[in-house]
Amino acid sequence: EAQVTQNPRYLITVTGKKLTVTCSQNMNHEYMSWYRQDPGLGLRQIYYSMNVEVTDKGDVPEGYKVSRKEKRNFPLILESPSPNQTSLYFCASSFSGAGRNTIYFGEGSWLTVV
Amino acid sequence: SQKIEQNSEALNIQEGKTATLTCNYTNYSPAYLQWYRQDPGRGPVFLLLIRENEKEKRKERLKVTFDTTLKQSLFHITASQPADSATYLCALDHNYGQNFVFGPGTRLSVLP
Repeated sequence: EAQVTQNPRYLITVTGKKLTVTCSQNMNHEYMSWYRQDPGLGLRQIYYSMNVEVTDKGDVPEGYKVSRKEKRNFPLILESPSPNQTSLYFCASSFSGAGRNTIYFGEGSWLTVV
Repeated sequence: SQKIEQNSEALNIQEGKTATLTCNYTNYSPAYLQWYRQDPGRGPVFLLLIRENEKEKRKERLKVTFDTTLKQSLFHITASQPADSATYLCALDHNYGQNFVFGPGTRLSVLP
């Protein structure tokens, strides 16, 4: 079954404690991306990756890091989380970055920073 | 500045009627526009894609139009059912397909 898997699904953490949200896809997709979703602001892109070792900033990259060492994995790293990073995070993948391809989303990771 | 707007934050319609949702964009030139459905607490799910040179696309009870002159897409659900209640997002590609940008969504409620 085609899947984008995120972990953890729910996390409460404290300010400044580094955390990583993992994302894995089983569809051999080249393109992967991270979004955050906040009430009234919709889905905003954090980072994206066109292929292994190729990453770029989206619209709201501040406070986040990513890496793409393998095609299937695209972890999101919060080096020093702050309360304004409390949000619902989605990982997504697509065959390529071109808009003609369907975007598959994970189930989301609810992150609370206190 | 670049912007994507969807007609209203929430839309209530009666079961059996046609729901029409609007997506307008400014200062983008997308080659493709997509529509997604999102249920509370879940990831968006792809519904339909339309290319810039297509005027209309249909899939079962769903219809999408794309007017690049008006910079607008309309999304129709005919014979709506309570199970169609969800948030609907439009998305468009820009930066030569490197980025996907989503609208804020419209929360549709179909009342029995």
